[in-house]
Amino acid sequence: AQKVTQAQTEISVVEKEDVTLDCVYETRDTTYYLFWYKQPPSGELVFLIRRNSFDEQNEISGRYSWNFQKSTSSFNFTITASQVVDSAVYFCALSELNTGGFKTIFGAGTRLFVKA
Amino acid sequence: DVKVTQSSRYLVKRTGEKVFLECVQDMDHENMFWYRQDPGLGLRLIYFSYDVKMKEKGDIPEGYSVSREKKERFSLILESASTNQTSMYLCASSFQTYEQYFGPGTRLTVT
Repeated sequence: AQKVTQAQTEISVVEKEDVTLDCVYETRDTTYYLFWYKQPPSGELVFLIRRNSFDEQNEISGRYSWNFQKSTSSFNFTITASQVVDSAVYFCALSELNTGGFKTIFGAGTRLFVKA
Repeated sequence: DVKVTQSSRYLVKRTGEKVFLECVQDMDHENMFWYRQDPGLGLRLIYFSYDVKMKEKGDIPEGYSVSREKKERFSLILESASTNQTSMYLCASSFQTYEQYFGPGTRLTVT
């Protein structure tokens, strides 16, 4: 069965620290997508990145980077030089293309506090 | 930019009332979803729709129904609201199984 685990419930860092949010997934499908979403205090989930199962290249976007490793079924998210505006709940998610239909499974989320 | 709008940000209803939550998207997405979000429980899928007039139950459909008469609009209906349906309700839309775009959410309180 598909499952997404975000073991870190809450993380607290001081501004300018680097922080990594962990995501481990389980799937029997060979074709799937992985996602990260951000939910700031305002409440609206915002899509950050999509990765398909055939593309293990790491991705960098400004201060954000993502490390996808199929060997460990992980899709970790690193924020470099964190800022107060990064404070939010971050969700990792999985969609299976062959067996999952239209459903996306979300992890429980990691709440990140960035203190000034 | 994809825009998903929800009819209300905050709603207060009484137990037993029929409640309608409306969601509209402007990107011609075929898929639409309703989730509820509760502290410690993450996002739980209530219903989704992959086409007009089509619907599928999610993980927690009990006490809810949905309607999709037009592609851009997906409604969540609480037939008889109960206090355990007090929650944040999130609507989303997507193209195929790609990323979902979420509305701002409706915080529903049932008293």
